[in-house]
Amino acid sequence: EVQLVESGGGLGKPGGSLRLSCAASGFTFANAWMNWVRQAPGKGLEWVGRIKSKTDGGTTDYGAPVKGRFTISRDDSRNTLYLQMNSLKTEDTAVYYCTTEWSLAVEESWFDPWGQGTLVTVSS
Amino acid sequence: SYELTQPPSVSVSPGQTVSITCSGNKLGDKYTSWYHQRPGQSPVLVIYQDNKRPSWIPERFSASNSGNTATLTISATQAMDEADYYCQTWDSGAVIFGGGTKLTVL
Repeated sequence: EVQLVESGGGLGKPGGSLRLSCAASGFTFANAWMNWVRQAPGKGLEWVGRIKSKTDGGTTDYGAPVKGRFTISRDDSRNTLYLQMNSLKTEDTAVYYCTTEWSLAVEESWFDPWGQGTLVTVSS
Repeated sequence: SYELTQPPSVSVSPGQTVSITCSGNKLGDKYTSWYHQRPGQSPVLVIYQDNKRPSWIPERFSASNSGNTATLTISATQAMDEADYYCQTWDSGAVIFGGGTKLTVL
């Protein structure tokens, strides 16, 4: 069974840092392009960013609100995806989901499955 | 920046057909996916590449994408279909989600 389990959420202070993890199982993680998507309380989905597989370059892309503050990385030996969140802002408060990206061509991809999410609250 | 617009809410009676729209500039030139999210749960893929259904999604779900509008249609709607529905596409290397539509089954 394909499974994604996020952890590391909690309370962070404005200007502070948090690191989220996403443990993957049931598929070949090393070949997967992985994404983070967040959802503020009562709001819609917002893309945070993605990391490609190492065989596809391992490069990262980020959404404008987090670019320069958040960093996505992966440890294929541990089947784990990470989201390092620095310079936290109150507007980063959200449930953070990790999800696997599937694609047949550039900018044609979709996301499945999604983890259960982990809540990050940024408050002083 | 590119935007996808969805109606905030739609309602339907059980057994009836309902459509949820997603509008964006020349959206028909892009691929669109759809997700549903039941209260307190994670999003689930419903449609990918405009009109393809994953194996776990019933045939009652169908979709199309043309011009400036993508449309998700649910026929013979059931109470279990009550959820938030999000459309998604890509533009200039970034993922774009619609604002979401709350489907109420009355």
